[in-house]
Amino acid sequence: GAGVSQSPSNKVTEKGKDVELRCDPISGHTALYWYRQSLGQGLEFLIYFQGNSAPDKSGLPSDRFSAERTGGSVSTLTIQRTQQEDSAVYLCASSRSITGGGDEQFFGPGTRLTVL
Amino acid sequence: LAKTTQPISMDSYEGQEVNITCSHNNIATNDYITWYQQFPSQGPRFIIQGYKTKVTNEVASLFIPADRKSSTLSLPRVSLSDTAVYYCLVGGHGSSNTGKLIFGQGTTLQVKP
Repeated sequence: GAGVSQSPSNKVTEKGKDVELRCDPISGHTALYWYRQSLGQGLEFLIYFQGNSAPDKSGLPSDRFSAERTGGSVSTLTIQRTQQEDSAVYLCASSRSITGGGDEQFFGPGTRLTVL
Repeated sequence: LAKTTQPISMDSYEGQEVNITCSHNNIATNDYITWYQQFPSQGPRFIIQGYKTKVTNEVASLFIPADRKSSTLSLPRVSLSDTAVYYCLVGGHGSSNTGKLIFGQGTTLQVKP
């Protein structure tokens, strides 16, 4: 079946604007993850969902960041009042279940966010 | 959460075997060891996973000593297309059930002709 998809693939916005990033996980995958990757850096964990629930939001960089997941499927990562330091590639992944790394994660192509 | 340490970068030549070692001194009983590969402008891709001893698949082998405080990813006869960043992760099955995973900086492997 189809892999993880993300939209948009690229987003350029002005400082102070809000943005929404979308992730469509693989059908049937109960777990969904958001990561951020700045240029030349490793992956920074943001948040994960088990179904529609996000048990641990401590990875979100600030209260300008929020995420939700509906129907156990699509997830949206929202960044309010964007700042230049928010510029990065935002990656979404899904897995069959939450097993703390024991279940293979399938990654989407990412959304490249540029804040001017 | 178990922290991992791996070399920042490695160089190799086509046809050689490459071994990348990851240290994870605080690995928990339930933790598995998983390696991912990431090419530029792409998301990471699962390579291999193991719990102890040796695991082999069509692309790599994973060696895990008895104390499980380290692991070595072995790539046989690398080619230019193996140039990528390799991440080592530890995380658990079953009762640990946490989705918060730390990828770290990874090891940038550069394969030269």
